[in-house]
Amino acid sequence: EDQVTQSPEALRLQEGESSSLNCSYTVSGLRGLFWYRQDPGKGPEFLFTLYSAGEEKEKERLKATLTKKESFLHITAPKPEDSATYLCAARDTGGFKTIFGAGTRLFVKA
Amino acid sequence: EAQVTQNPRYLITVTGKKLTVTCSQNMNHEYMSWYRQDPGLGLRQIYYSMNVEVTDKGDVPEGYKVSRKEKRNFPLILESPSPNQTSLYFCASSSGQGALNEQFFGPGTRLTVL
Repeated sequence: EDQVTQSPEALRLQEGESSSLNCSYTVSGLRGLFWYRQDPGKGPEFLFTLYSAGEEKEKERLKATLTKKESFLHITAPKPEDSATYLCAARDTGGFKTIFGAGTRLFVKA
Repeated sequence: EAQVTQNPRYLITVTGKKLTVTCSQNMNHEYMSWYRQDPGLGLRQIYYSMNVEVTDKGDVPEGYKVSRKEKRNFPLILESPSPNQTSLYFCASSSGQGALNEQFFGPGTRLTVL
């Protein structure tokens, strides 16, 4: 069964304290691994798409990487405005269904 | 402004009273999808549509219906809502039929079924 698991469920950081969020997936024939950011009371907002193992993408303080079994979202020197829930999602072989993880809630304290 | 809109944003109803949540996008996207979000379970896909008149079930379709008569609209219908359908619902769209591209999400509809 296709599955996406994110860890930790919640992460509390001090401003400037770098860390990583994990996304493990078991999807037959991955067609794309996505990262989204969700602020309270809003819909998810797209961050990155990764298609093949070894691929990396960066945006400001965020860097996403992909292996054959996991993806990591690295946050370098986070700021309070980076506080949000980060969602990982995988597209299956057919490319029509999307499986989301439960998300990691990130809190960054000034 | 490119966007996905949902209506209503909040809805409280009673068991068995049919309701429709509308979703509309102005980006000419082929792919549209409905999700529900519950605490600890994340986003679960209800139905998706690859194009007009083409829809298919996601992981949790029971109790829901959809239709895609126009490219821009993808309404979610609950024929006989039950309390276990109390949830936060999101509509999303993306370009391309294969849904390999990023999805744009609406603001969400919070539904409570008493």
